[in-house]
Amino acid sequence: AQSVTQLGSHVSVSEGALVLLRCNYSSSVPPYLFWYVQYPNQGLQLLLKYTSAATLVKGINGFEAEFKKSETSFHLTKPSAHMSDAAEYFCAVSRSNTGNQFYFGTGTSLTVIP
Amino acid sequence: GAGVSQTPSNKVTEKGKYVELRCDPISGHTALYWYRQSLGQGPEFLIYFQGTGAADDSGLPNDRFFAVRPEGSVSTLKIQRTERGDSAVYLCASSAQLAGGIDTQYFGPGTRLTVL
Repeated sequence: AQSVTQLGSHVSVSEGALVLLRCNYSSSVPPYLFWYVQYPNQGLQLLLKYTSAATLVKGINGFEAEFKKSETSFHLTKPSAHMSDAAEYFCAVSRSNTGNQFYFGTGTSLTVIP
Repeated sequence: GAGVSQTPSNKVTEKGKYVELRCDPISGHTALYWYRQSLGQGPEFLIYFQGTGAADDSGLPNDRFFAVRPEGSVSTLKIQRTERGDSAVYLCASSAQLAGGIDTQYFGPGTRLTVL
C-alpha cells in the first residue's frame, strides 16, 4: 500500500519567514509525488511534481520541494512567506504500476501572520 | 484554455434521493478521475476512466455509487439513495494520460453535495 503523511494540520508563519510543510510517503516502489494548493472555494492547483528526474523540484510561486529517498520525504519549502500563500496544501503520491490514482494526505492549512 | 468544469457547483438533496454530478474534462484528456473530499480531509479516490471504460473503480464506497463516461469525454457520477454521510465535495480531475506514465491531474472546482 502507499500513502502520504502530512505532519502538522495547521502551520502559522510570519510574513517573510521560511515556510516548511512536511510530507512523508510510504511506497514499495519509486513514487511520483505532487504538491497541490487549494485556496478557499477553489479547486486544487498543482504547485510542483517529482517524477524521478531531479530530486530538487521547483514549482510555481517560489515553492520548491526536495525528494529524499533515505528519509522517504518530500517536504515543501518557500524562503519567504507572502500573505497570498495562505491556503490548504496537499501532498499526493502515485505510481504507474497500480493505476494512476493519487493518494492524498490530510492537508496542511498555512496561515501567514502579517 | 478551458479547465475542468463541474456542475452543479452546489447540490442540496434529501436523504434517499438520487443525484447526478457532471464533469467536463479538459479537451483531449483521455483520463478522468473522481475524488471525494470530506471536511478536513484530503481528496479520496473513487474511480478512474481511461477513455470510455472504468480502468479502476476500487474507490467507490458501495453499489449506490456509479459513474459513466459514454463518449470518452463528459462523465457523470451517480449516487442512488443518498445518505447524510455522502455529504462532501466531489472533485473531478483529468489528465492527458499516456500509457505507462503518470501525468499531472488537473482538478475542477468541485461539486459540494449536502444531504439533509
